[in-house]
Amino acid sequence: DVKVTQSSRYLVKRTGEKVFLECVQDMDHENMFWYRQDPGLGLRLIYFSYDVKMKEKGDIPEGYSVSREKKERFSLILESASTNQTSMYLCASSWRGDEQFFGPGTRLTVL
Amino acid sequence: LAKTTQPISMDSYEGQEVNITCSHNNIATNDYITWYQQFPSQGPRFIIQGYKTKVTNEVASLFIPADRKSSTLSLPRVSLSDTAVYYCLVGVPYNAGNNRKLIWGLGTSLAVNP
Repeated sequence: DVKVTQSSRYLVKRTGEKVFLECVQDMDHENMFWYRQDPGLGLRLIYFSYDVKMKEKGDIPEGYSVSREKKERFSLILESASTNQTSMYLCASSWRGDEQFFGPGTRLTVL
Repeated sequence: LAKTTQPISMDSYEGQEVNITCSHNNIATNDYITWYQQFPSQGPRFIIQGYKTKVTNEVASLFIPADRKSSTLSLPRVSLSDTAVYYCLVGVPYNAGNNRKLIWGLGTSLAVNP
């Protein structure tokens, strides 16, 4: 079974802090994704990576950056966390154009 | 880009067949239709994907009419454990360098009652 793990299930940070969310997949998938999920807004894509060191902006990249130094690991970085970044963050991976496998999510609260 | 519209919520009873319809009037020629299921405190999980006509797997069927402007996810004989949010997606799945988008619907919250 494909396994996508995220570094934390719950995270509480203060405004202005730098936040790292880590995601690891164990199936050698090429594609990795970061989404945020908010009530009434569904899933929105933040960033997408299709190879090591390759990334593309999604629908809402502002305030975020990403890093993919190894194929299995995709990190989401909030350079200076703000309260409007309080959300559920979901990481996913896929083999080329196939179905996406999601991690359990990280619920981030920014105070 | 295609936009997906699906009902916000649905109610059903154990043992019934549930059909959730998604409309996507602006679907493009290369777009696929995909459905995901999400339980509370979990990430979405792939259910089924199709391009046209009918697709069936061990858990669901997907019906797509000839004009492809809508699709219907059919869950046979639902149980309490099928209570979840169901998302309809339209688009070309991401691939290396592919800029086409997957458009996620806002989800249909299905409640299965005893």
